Amino acid sequence: DGGITQSPKYLFRKEGQNVTLSCEQNLNHDAMYWYRQDPGQGLRLIYYSQIVNDFQKGDIAEGYSVSREKKESFPLTVTSAQKNPTAFYLCASSPTGGSMNTEAFFGQGTRLTVV
Amino acid sequence: AQTVTQSQPEMSVQEAETVTLSCTYDTSESDYYLFWYKQPPSRQMILVIRQEAYKQQNATENRFSVNFQKAAKSFSLKISDSQLGDAAMYFCAYSSYPITGTASKLTFGTGTRLQVTL
Repeated sequence: DGGITQSPKYLFRKEGQNVTLSCEQNLNHDAMYWYRQDPGQGLRLIYYSQIVNDFQKGDIAEGYSVSREKKESFPLTVTSAQKNPTAFYLCASSPTGGSMNTEAFFGQGTRLTVV
Repeated sequence: AQTVTQSQPEMSVQEAETVTLSCTYDTSESDYYLFWYKQPPSRQMILVIRQEAYKQQNATENRFSVNFQKAAKSFSLKISDSQLGDAAMYFCAYSSYPITGTASKLTFGTGTRLQVTL
């Protein structure tokens, strides 16, 4: 079945450590996204990518980094510079503009907790 | 920049009844998409319904329908014959009309938690 897989589902990180969240899709979508969800704040865009080897900052990119070496994969690294990393992280993918349907599909999320 | 506002943090509806969730947005663009997403306790985001701004006809999907008022920048979701499985967080979202080859970034509201009672 086609879809988006995020791993792990739960992740614990010590303060000062970098941690990488995985996101893989087999929907053949060009665009991929990372959103952060905090209670009472909805989802906010961290980074997005429109094509392999290209990515752009979203609204809250500070303290995060990404790569897009393969069409299927868009990992997110939460660095030690991120002051408040405890949150729920959602990865999504979609076709790019010009397609019949640009609906975004979401993964099941990763809950990151700093201990 | 676009903004999306959901002014109802929580709503409650009895099973089989109808409920309307409100959403307003602000944009200077003329072409765009509006969405309602459902997030159940599993936290998987599920697309409920989509509206293209250039279409005057309100979108419907089975028991879900929208009231799209472009001039008022209002986009409410009506759930008819509510079921226990409708209990979830509902997010209103906005996307600019994507140019060929560009991503469809979403701007979300803060969500409305819907409770369904017997």
